[in-house]
Amino acid sequence: GAGVSQTPSNKVTEKGKYVELRCDPISGHTALYWYRQSLGQGPEFLIYFQGTGAADDSGLPNDRFFAVRPEGSVSTLKIQRTERGDSAVYLCASSLYRTSGANVLTFGAGSRLTVL
Amino acid sequence: KQEVTQIPAALSVPEGENLVLNCSFTDSAIYNLQWFRQDPGKGLTSLLLIQSSQREQTSGRLNASLDKSSGRSTLYIAASQPGDSATYLCAVRLNYGGSQGNLIFGKGTKLSVKP
Repeated sequence: GAGVSQTPSNKVTEKGKYVELRCDPISGHTALYWYRQSLGQGPEFLIYFQGTGAADDSGLPNDRFFAVRPEGSVSTLKIQRTERGDSAVYLCASSLYRTSGANVLTFGAGSRLTVL
Repeated sequence: KQEVTQIPAALSVPEGENLVLNCSFTDSAIYNLQWFRQDPGKGLTSLLLIQSSQREQTSGRLNASLDKSSGRSTLYIAASQPGDSATYLCAVRLNYGGSQGNLIFGKGTKLSVKP
């Protein structure tokens, strides 16, 4: 696609529920990233995929958070037993992979999650 | 632990002014530094990327500098316009294997350019 697409744009759920957030990256981008942005804060790294595998998942806060990218394109961020503190905007980005490391990330508009 | 700080948190200037946004980071072992722009309700747009071996990058009215040894970067915006109003975020990429996606962001500077 022309840009990074994230769905849903808004999700309101109750504490304890399960949530899935979807990211559709730019076609041909092998690298995909998930970030979380709380109000008044900068984005916080969660996980980075290179192809189908998670190259770096050091930012996932706990085992309630899980992300997959089974075919190396679309990714789903899954949050189990949601807590009020999970409320944030979840940002997805994608990029080409460059051996120089100069990866310019293209971000989606984000999925705003509100846990009541 | 790497920390990124941006000063000021908010800035309001009249149209036409030149301005400087500041970013500092605590650990100089970075791979690169990027400046992003974020508009309300939208994702981030990459403005400039400076590799650790570089001193500055320019794009149009924007110029970003990097002083790795002192842990500082500045974003200079010339002849500011109301359309420049947005939040500007600075992010550093850590320098370790597999860290391509792990950017550490500051909280941003919210810029308002008054017509």
